[in-house]
Amino acid sequence: EVQLVESGGGLVQPGGSLRLSCAASEFTFSSYWMSWVRQAPGKGLEWVAIIKQDGSEKYHVDSVEGRFTISRDNAKNSLYLQMNSLRAEDTAVYFCARTDDYGYFDCWGQGTLVTVSS
Amino acid sequence: EIVMTQSPATLSVSPGERATLSCRASQSVGSNLAWYQQRPGQAPRLLISGASTRATGIPARFSGSGSGTEFALTIISLQSEDFAVYYCQQYYKRWTFGQGTKVEIK
Repeated sequence: EVQLVESGGGLVQPGGSLRLSCAASEFTFSSYWMSWVRQAPGKGLEWVAIIKQDGSEKYHVDSVEGRFTISRDNAKNSLYLQMNSLRAEDTAVYFCARTDDYGYFDCWGQGTLVTVSS
Repeated sequence: EIVMTQSPATLSVSPGERATLSCRASQSVGSNLAWYQQRPGQAPRLLISGASTRATGIPARFSGSGSGTEFALTIISLQSEDFAVYYCQQYYKRWTFGQGTKVEIK
């Protein structure tokens, strides 16, 4: 069974940084696009970033462009999200999601909570 | 940005009844539309892709329809585990979600 396990969330002050990780198993990680999707408390889903199989293409939602960077290490079956200059509005559960070539999210991790507060 | 609008925000349905959820795109997305279910405290789960193709393991009581800008998710004979929040998502141009429809017990 496909497994995606996020880690790295926590409490951080505004302006701070955090690096999220997602460990993938039970599928060929290097064959898939991968994404981060977030959900603010009590709110809906928001796509954050996506990365191609070999890392050659990356896209970020406008609200995090220049602050967040998605990356991956296929040798370690791992996905990352480097988050800098964090703001209160970045507070959310961040999900790692396997992404089909067409663009839908076919498997999800359980998420990791990021809280930005002083 | 393509804006996805779901209606209604909340749908009250009795177990065993049928539920129809709507999703509208601000411009045509073809059939590049997915539906997800999210139960409280859980991650979303893919139900439908390509507007009408059920994901692996999804019961036949879930069906998707539509194309272009108008889409629907129908759940026939609602079971207790179906009471949840449902999101539509387009993947025609970048990736955007609707705000969700909560299906609650009437």
